[in-house]
Amino acid sequence: DGGITQSPKYLFRKEGQNVTLSCEQNLNHDAMYWYRQDPGQGLRLIYYSQIVNDFQKGDIAEGYSVSREKKESFPLTVTSAQKNPTAFYLCASKWGAGSYEQYFGPGTRLTVT
Amino acid sequence: GQQVMQIPQYQHVQEGEDFTTYCNSSTTLSNIQWYKQRPGGHPVFLIQLVKSGEVKKQKRLTFQFGEAKKNSSLHITATQTTDVGTYFCAGSNYGQNFVFGPGTRLSVLP
Repeated sequence: DGGITQSPKYLFRKEGQNVTLSCEQNLNHDAMYWYRQDPGQGLRLIYYSQIVNDFQKGDIAEGYSVSREKKESFPLTVTSAQKNPTAFYLCASKWGAGSYEQYFGPGTRLTVT
Repeated sequence: GQQVMQIPQYQHVQEGEDFTTYCNSSTTLSNIQWYKQRPGGHPVFLIQLVKSGEVKKQKRLTFQFGEAKKNSSLHITATQTTDVGTYFCAGSNYGQNFVFGPGTRLSVLP
């Protein structure tokens, strides 16, 4: 069964702790993306990767880090430097860098108190 | 940088009424995509438009790309409760990343 998985669905952390969100895809997609969604707002791009071992900052990369060591995996670390980490995080993937549809994972809702 | 706006932010309709959401970009787009996100769910791709003035239909949904390729609309005829959700447009300019609009949240009253 092909698709994108994100785990966990809900995550709770104390302020000051780093936390890593998982994103795995078995669609053989080259490009992967991390978005943040806040209530009443659209999706804002955090980081993206067009190919293994390469990634680029999106519009709101401060306080986040990523890695792309494998084609299937694109984990996102929310560091303690992120001032407002509580949000819904969505991972997406698509074929290459062209104008293709993005396939989204189910998302991880992170709450930091 | 490129900005994408959508109006209205919220729309409440009675089941059976029509619904339209509008998407406007600050820059000319090469293509525009529409996504639907059900409450508690994740965005799901609906369609992509690439040609100036293009109109595409999916059952009760009609998508249009403006002549100047800076705006787009999604029209739903005779809404049903299954149409409930937030509709996002996302625009791209020739290979750049897609920029998402803030979405229009549709509520359908039975």
